[in-house]
Amino acid sequence: EVQLVESGGGLVQPGGSLRLSCAASGFTLSNYGMNWVRQTPVKGLEWISYISNTGGTIYYADSVKGRFTISRDYAKNSLYLIMNSLRIEDTALYYCVRDVCGGSSCFYDSWGQGTQVAVSS
Amino acid sequence: DIVMTQSPDSLAVSLGERATINCRSSQSVLYSSNNKNYLAWYQQKPGQPPKLLISWASTRESGVPDRISGSGSGTDFTLTISSLQAEDVAVYYCQQHYGSPTFGQGTKVEIK
Repeated sequence: EVQLVESGGGLVQPGGSLRLSCAASGFTLSNYGMNWVRQTPVKGLEWISYISNTGGTIYYADSVKGRFTISRDYAKNSLYLIMNSLRIEDTALYYCVRDVCGGSSCFYDSWGQGTQVAVSS
Repeated sequence: DIVMTQSPDSLAVSLGERATINCRSSQSVLYSSNNKNYLAWYQQKPGQPPKLLISWASTRESGVPDRISGSGSGTDFTLTISSLQAEDVAVYYCQQHYGSPTFGQGTKVEIK
């Protein structure tokens, strides 16, 4: 069974940093592109980053470019999102999401339960 | 970015009746070289992550009941639930991946 389990969320002050992790099981992470997608009640679902199966292709949404970094650890079968210079508008539920296609962000057949990030002073 | 607009924002349908959700993209998501529409549909129930229902505008995912179908091309798409069941109560989202992925705002489906 495919499982994605996110962790690392929490409360942080504006300008602070967090590192989200996603542990994958039931499949080999190196065979799939992976994404982070976030959700808020106001803005809805927002794709924020993609990394290809090889790690050679990475994309970011403009809203996080230069502040967030996506990476993966093949040995640990895990995906990460390092979030720096956090803003209040980054408050959201962050999902780790498996991509169906190869080469670029496509559509998503497996989602974790999400980890909540709250940015507040 | 391609803007996805769904209508209506919510709808209430009687059990066994048809539910129709529309999704319009600000530009075509039909890729001419392979004649595929880069459009997917998801269902999200309370407290759960979204679940992929339809890919390439009309390809039903394994395990999705055949009362749920997708149609459309170019900029206008429709998700149809032909006979609404209680378990279909959810928020439905369209998503394009022709450009940088974007989602519609969601349509909440309830029982009348």
